[in-house]
Amino acid sequence: EVKLVESGGGLVQPGRSLKLSCAASGFSFNDYWMGWVRQAPGKGLEWIGEINQDSSTINYTPSLKDKFTISRDNAQNTLYLQMSKLGSEDTAIYYCARVRAHIDYWGQGVMVTVSS
Amino acid sequence: DTVLTQSPALAVSPGERVTISCRASESVSTGMHWYQQKPGQQPKLLIYGASNLESGVPARFSGSGSGTDFTLTIDPVEADDTATYFCQQSWNDPPTFGGGTKLELK
Repeated sequence: EVKLVESGGGLVQPGRSLKLSCAASGFSFNDYWMGWVRQAPGKGLEWIGEINQDSSTINYTPSLKDKFTISRDNAQNTLYLQMSKLGSEDTAIYYCARVRAHIDYWGQGVMVTVSS
Repeated sequence: DTVLTQSPALAVSPGERVTISCRASESVSTGMHWYQQKPGQQPKLLIYGASNLESGVPARFSGSGSGTDFTLTIDPVEADDTATYFCQQSWNDPPTFGGGTKLELK
């Protein structure tokens, strides 16, 4: 069974940084592109970016590129999202995703709240 | 970025046929996918590549279209289909999502 489990969310002050993790299991992690999508409360979905199998290609939605860094550790079957200079507009549920052009598996999501 | 436009909401009765539309601001070929999201849950893939049914998804769901106009059809609609439906395109960079269509059952 494919499982994606995010962690690392919570309350963070404006201007600070936060790193999310996504533990993958049930499939060969290093065979797949992985990505992150977020959803602000009551809003739609926003694609953050994706990373290929060996981390040689990382794509970001341009408007978010300066704020987020995606990385992965294939030995640990873990995907990461480093977030910096957070603002209230970054308050959202962050989903880890297995990417195949479409997203065939989603994590349950982790909430990040940016507030003083 | 490619903008995907969806109607905000629809209300239908169980047993009826419903079509949910998604219009792209530029051609996405058949790089269109559909997801269902129920409150408090992560999205779930229904259709990929415009018309391919994801494994395990009931055959009541179907997708069609190419270029800029796409449709998700549910026939017949069941009470459990109450959810928000999102389209997503992968043809143009960056990938983008539609704003979602909230489906309510009468």
